[in-house]
Amino acid sequence: AQSVAQPEDQVNVAEGNPLTVKCTYSVSGNPYLFWYVQYPNRGLQFLLKYITGDNLVKGSYGFEAEFNKSQTSFHLKKPSALVSDSALYFCAVPPYTGGSYIPTFGRGTSLIVHP
Amino acid sequence: NAGVTQTPKFRILKIGQSMTLQCTQDMNHNYMYWYRQDPGMGLKLIYYSVGAGITDKGEVPNGYNVSRSTTEDFPLRLELAAPSQTSVYFCASSQGANQPQHFGDGTRLSIL
Repeated sequence: AQSVAQPEDQVNVAEGNPLTVKCTYSVSGNPYLFWYVQYPNRGLQFLLKYITGDNLVKGSYGFEAEFNKSQTSFHLKKPSALVSDSALYFCAVPPYTGGSYIPTFGRGTSLIVHP
Repeated sequence: NAGVTQTPKFRILKIGQSMTLQCTQDMNHNYMYWYRQDPGMGLKLIYYSVGAGITDKGEVPNGYNVSRSTTEDFPLRLELAAPSQTSVYFCASSQGANQPQHFGDGTRLSIL
């Protein structure tokens, strides 16, 4: 069965500093991987995706993610954090990936950016 | 373009009552999903649909039912509400299986 893990429940970073939100995956075959963001009292919003090709994927709001096949990781990054980046972040594997019909989400990482 | 619309936004039910959570999308997406979100647990798939007339169970279908008579609508039915169904429910749609999902803003349901 496919799975994703987000090892940190919470990440704290000062505004202006770089941020990393970690995700590791377990998927048979070539994975599709997504990152979503959730602001309070809102649904999830798509940030970026890896399908194939370049290991560095650029997405919305200045976020990017690095796919590392040897480490089975797909960490979300941003060079300079903003207070408005504070939100809940989810790593996900879409359905029909690796033979599973069920989309899989990580448990989420709360990013807190301090002024 | 409204995207995915869920109603109601909030609801309090008594144990044993029933209700339908509404979900409609205006993007002509074939794939639609219902999730529940509990604190610290991520999202769990309840039911999904790959097109009108086709539905299937997800990870946690017990206590719920769905129907998909049109491409636009995918209502979720709770027949006998139980306290364990207190949660935030999200509906989502996507253009294809491996495409990003578009989420509604959720229905916050409390069962007392």
